[in-house]
Amino acid sequence: DAKTTQPPSMDCAEGRAANLPCNHSTISGNEYVYWYRQIHSQGPQYIIHGLKNNETNEMASLIITEDRKSSTLILPHATLRDTAVYYCIASTDSWGKLQFGAGTQVVVTP
Amino acid sequence: DVKVTQSSRYLVKRTGEKVFLECVQDMDHENMFWYRQDPGLGLRLIYFSYDVKMKEKGDIPEGYSVSREKKERFSLILESASTNQTSMYLCASSLYPDRALPKNIQYFGAGTRLSVL
Repeated sequence: DAKTTQPPSMDCAEGRAANLPCNHSTISGNEYVYWYRQIHSQGPQYIIHGLKNNETNEMASLIITEDRKSSTLILPHATLRDTAVYYCIASTDSWGKLQFGAGTQVVVTP
Repeated sequence: DVKVTQSSRYLVKRTGEKVFLECVQDMDHENMFWYRQDPGLGLRLIYFSYDVKMKEKGDIPEGYSVSREKKERFSLILESASTNQTSMYLCASSLYPDRALPKNIQYFGAGTRLSVL
């Protein structure tokens, strides 16, 4: 699986968009990009995934650059409940395993 | 909705005790995983199972064993608990890659915080 690099932390104002960057410059052509988040004292929660195209669901949007070397997770209107550690993972493991890195601690402030 | 249930939220055990952590999923998933999470070390995979009675070692299997007698249940066993096994333990499940598109959406339980004294 490709290594991913994320900033260790970022702050966001409530109601504003939160843009979380992820670098995966060694990603291979069949590796998906997955985003999970972990709210304090809970298990990680799947958010969204993508391969080449931009994706959107009820939780977030995922923008993947054309060369696929980086991506951005967008929380369109951050709320206090979005405070969590966000993990970006690039994977095509044949067993379905995931390698979680350190992630980005996002703090949404009033 | 997928539900992954871990039997205990908090557990306190003594050094040397045999400890069982139980995990049950209700979505007929083939794959099940056990992780531990420690501050500064993130989530690390202990064991996973892709079918009943099948198991594979993850990154840190030492000191642990697992059991999967039924598809919905995956147990983590600490044969002789030690203080360095004090940690948050997380169970997850997912569809087998051939049935899942994409294949790496894992669903997690709430975790068991184990303290070994």
